[in-house]
Amino acid sequence: GAGVSQSPRYKVAKRGQDVALRCDPISGHVSLFWYQQALGQGPEFLTYFQNEAQLDKSGLPSDRFFAERPEGSVSTLKIQRTQQEDSAVYLCASSPRTGGRPLGGYTFGSGTRLTVV
Amino acid sequence: GQQVMQIPQYQHVQEGEDFTTYCNSSTTLSNIQWYKQRPGGHPVFLIQLVKSGEVKKQKRLTFQFGEAKKNSSLHITATQTTDVGTYFCAGGYSTLTFGKGTMLLVSP
Repeated sequence: GAGVSQSPRYKVAKRGQDVALRCDPISGHVSLFWYQQALGQGPEFLTYFQNEAQLDKSGLPSDRFFAERPEGSVSTLKIQRTQQEDSAVYLCASSPRTGGRPLGGYTFGSGTRLTVV
Repeated sequence: GQQVMQIPQYQHVQEGEDFTTYCNSSTTLSNIQWYKQRPGGHPVFLIQLVKSGEVKKQKRLTFQFGEAKKNSSLHITATQTTDVGTYFCAGGYSTLTFGKGTMLLVSP
């Protein structure tokens, strides 16, 4: 597609509910990143995929957070047993770079705003 | 871990005034990137700097990368209302660490 597509745009979840957030990166982009952005803050790194391989998941805040990219394109971020502190915008970004070389910027999607009530 | 700090957190200027935001890293950076996020929007890539002492310009925007590759700045000349938003710097190799951003408000 022309850009990074995320769905849903908005999600309201009751505390304890499981949620799944989808990211469809730019076609052919090898690298995919998930970030969490709280109100008034900068994006905080969650996890990074190169193709289907999850190369870095050091930013996932707890074992309730899980991400996958099984076929190297679409990715899903799953949050189990949501808590109020999980409320944030979840941003997905993709990049065409390979091999860890820092070439070019990220293209971000519009994000999913998650509100846990 | 790597930390990226930005100052100021917030700046309010009159249209036509200049604006500068500064970015400092706790470690030497392989590259620095700048993003702009409009209110209610998502970060949009502006530029990447790679070389020590590098200076790049985009119309009224001037970006600098420090000689030691630990700091950077973004300068906007003669701000316009369309410049409103939050400007983030980000550094890293395989993944980016973002600063908290500088929110720019421009009054007409």
